[in-house]
Amino acid sequence: NAGVTQTPKFRILKIGQSMTLQCTQDMNHNYMYWYRQDPGMGLKLIYYSVGAGITDKGEVPNGYNVSRSTTEDFPLRLELAAPSQTSVYFCASSPRAGQPQHFGDGTRLSIL
Amino acid sequence: QQQVKQSPQSLIVQKGGISIINCAYENTAFDYFPWYQQFPGKGPALLIAIRPDVSEKKEGRFTISFNKSAKQFSLHIMDSQPGDSATYFCAASPVTGNQFYFGTGTSLTVIP
Repeated sequence: NAGVTQTPKFRILKIGQSMTLQCTQDMNHNYMYWYRQDPGMGLKLIYYSVGAGITDKGEVPNGYNVSRSTTEDFPLRLELAAPSQTSVYFCASSPRAGQPQHFGDGTRLSIL
Repeated sequence: QQQVKQSPQSLIVQKGGISIINCAYENTAFDYFPWYQQFPGKGPALLIAIRPDVSEKKEGRFTISFNKSAKQFSLHIMDSQPGDSATYFCAASPVTGNQFYFGTGTSLTVIP
């Protein structure tokens, strides 16, 4: 019963490096989301997708890119890592709008 | 601009006591109000949710109270236990939108 799986769990990057955070779900959910969580700030939506081939910006999309080629996968790309992107990143999925979101356990990313 | 305002930021309750966390919103288009529970190192998990057609929803020791006219909703944890110690997030989603808006979180500590 995997649900939403995120890899890696931890990563340290140098400024200017790039990386992809992986997210996959096995619940056949159409909707997928990427959030970042910073202390005292709650969860901020970076990007979301309502189905394969469809993505849209959330509240804080700058510095990130996404793609959705399959229902299961929704990777998040950081092209030029900056210290401001140090955060915990959560991927979530839901069957449709207005339905509960299921979260992965997060990727803890530090950029030095 | 914080779409959902949550208070308090932290809460300490004695075992057996009642924990109360409050949230307020402005957007009258919101029609789904979930609460999430997050333990350290884990992603948020849905605890209980309510829609504005009811004023209260109870699941075990957890109750959501909803005041549509005041645009406020709250989580009550009855007979609080040390195992309830976690961070709690309220959230809101509009009926026609695809995004969830989260509060900034409340760190609950239940002392034995």
